[in-house]
Formats: sequence, C-alpha cells, structure tokens
Amino acid sequence: GAVVSQHPSWVICKSGTSVKIECRSLDFQATTMFWYRQFPKQSLMLMATSNEGSKATYEQGVEKDKFLINHASLTLSTLTVTSAHPEDSSFYICSARVRIASEGYTFGSGTRLTVV
Amino acid sequence: AQKITQTQPGMFVQEKEAVTLDCTYDTSDPSYGLFWYKQPSSGEMIFLIYQGSYDQQNATEGRYSLNFQKARKSANLVISASQLGDSAMYFCAMREGHQAGTALIFGKGTTLSVSS
Repeated sequence: GAVVSQHPSWVICKSGTSVKIECRSLDFQATTMFWYRQFPKQSLMLMATSNEGSKATYEQGVEKDKFLINHASLTLSTLTVTSAHPEDSSFYICSARVRIASEGYTFGSGTRLTVV
Repeated sequence: AQKITQTQPGMFVQEKEAVTLDCTYDTSDPSYGLFWYKQPSSGEMIFLIYQGSYDQQNATEGRYSLNFQKARKSANLVISASQLGDSAMYFCAMREGHQAGTALIFGKGTTLSVSS
C-alpha cells in the first residue's frame, strides 16, 4: 500500500519549453506532497511542500515562478518547470507522508529531466 | 549547520562482510525520527529502517540494524552479510517533530560498493 505513481520517468525537452511532472497517490489520500530535486551523486534537496487546496510553500532559493506546484486534489500534485533551461536538468522526486510511522514517507519513482 | 551529516562519501566492502555507514544529526526537537534509504542507480528511494527518538531499543530489519546513540546524536546503519545487490547510494534522513507537513531532511549520502 501507500504507492505514489510519478510520471513521466524521464523527459527530454528543448530549452524554453515547460514540462509537467505528475505525482498521484494511488491508494491513499496525500494531504501533503513534498518535492525534491537531486543532482547526480548528490543529496535530495527539498524544493517545496504542497498542501491540497492551498499554495505551496517553497524553500529558500527556489523560484516559485519557475517551479509551479499545484495540488488540486488529495490524489494529485504536479510540478511544472516553466521555461526550462539546461541548468534545470536534474532528477525530481515527490514524496508523501503516510500514516504508518515505521515507513513514514513514500516516494515516487522520480523523473529525470534533461533540457537541451 | 547541517542537520544530517554523512561523512563517508564512499565505502567499499567485500561480499558477506558487515559494513557500518555513519550518520550524525542535529536537532533541538525532543521528538524526531531517523530514517535510512537505499537509492540504486534507477533512482527509486527504498526505505530500509526507522528509529524514533523515544524508541528504547535499536531498530532492526533483517540484515539492517540501526546503532542509535542518542547522547552522541548518531544513527549509524549496519548492514550485515553484504551482498552485491547492496551496492547503491545510502541516505540518512531525519524528520523533526510529528506534524504531517514535516518533510524529511537528507544527508549527502554514502555510496556503497560491494565486491565479490
């Protein structure tokens, strides 16, 4: 149980275009979704926290106009990278809190974004 | 100050040997949780083990055990009888408090290489 489905798993886009990444909670309601970014061989850095029906809270240094997060329902949160540039190329992964304390969190499978 | 510190960028171990991955943390919240995740090259985050700040005993899950030393603020992961499939990046992470909107904070990770 507690599965988050993340799509696409990888995407290549041209510089200047926008890319949308979706995370769906399949068998539970995700009130809160966390979005992380990970560069190769580096840590997962929290970008923002999204709550269903309200505006996302962005971490310091993350451009909210560039990384648009929408959490319109309890089962869907989206991250849109607008006007993507090569430096936005990264691995993006979402995570949701689950009730079972021992697991605590469930993660999407991640999206590898390459901007050319 | 870093909340989670993993001082070993890389570790090498032979099959069937035990290995310890270090993790120290910093928090003033009396209630927190510590997690270890495995991230293979595919990018998925695989939950390994959890330790709550009030847990009296060290957590164990199969070949994984967590050496929790609260006074030293350390939460080292011990993998017994290493297998080739254990080669991956390992992250220590912390949740401060119990609120639903609390994201995990990750360390920089340790790359484990298991050889035959």
